[in-house]
Amino acid sequence: DVKVTQSSRYLVKRTGEKVFLECVQDMDHENMFWYRQDPGLGLRLIYFSYDVKMKEKGDIPEGYSVSREKKERFSLILESASTNQTSMYLCASSDWQPQHFGDGTRLSIL
Amino acid sequence: SQQGEEDPQALSIQEGENATMNCSYKTSINNLQWYRQNSGRGLVHLILIRSNEREKHSGRLRVTLDTSKKSSSLLITASRAADTASYFCVNTGNQFYFGTGTSLTVIP
Repeated sequence: DVKVTQSSRYLVKRTGEKVFLECVQDMDHENMFWYRQDPGLGLRLIYFSYDVKMKEKGDIPEGYSVSREKKERFSLILESASTNQTSMYLCASSDWQPQHFGDGTRLSIL
Repeated sequence: SQQGEEDPQALSIQEGENATMNCSYKTSINNLQWYRQNSGRGLVHLILIRSNEREKHSGRLRVTLDTSKKSSSLLITASRAADTASYFCVNTGNQFYFGTGTSLTVIP
């Protein structure tokens, strides 16, 4: 089975901190995704990557950046965390379909 | 909007009953997928129905697709408490766009 592992299930950070969320997949998938999920808004795509060192902006990239130095790892970076970035963050990977999701990181920014 | 709209937003049934949830799009449907999300967890892929299929079964799941009406339905038969989750549809043509889902509660 495909396994997508997110480094933390719960994370608490302070406003202004630089925050790193890590995601690793074990199936050699080309594509990797970062979403955030908020009540009433569903999942919204932040960034995706279709190859090493390649990245594309999703619908809400502002305040975020990503890094994909190795095929199996896709990192989401909050450059200067703000309270409106408190959310559930979900990482996914795929070759085409379907997407395989990690268990998410619930991030709180105080 | 490229997101699917799931209906109803919330559904509560007794164990053993059937649960039906619907999904509609404003854009044309390519292939359509359904995912499940247990509380506090990631999404899990359930089933994909291709645009040239009208109905597909997988265990207790039955999915229908009407491309002319741009809609799909997911039926879970003989529901169990473990089916309690949120269910999302995704148009493969717009694979990044998940709706807000249907929250299903199955009461033991």
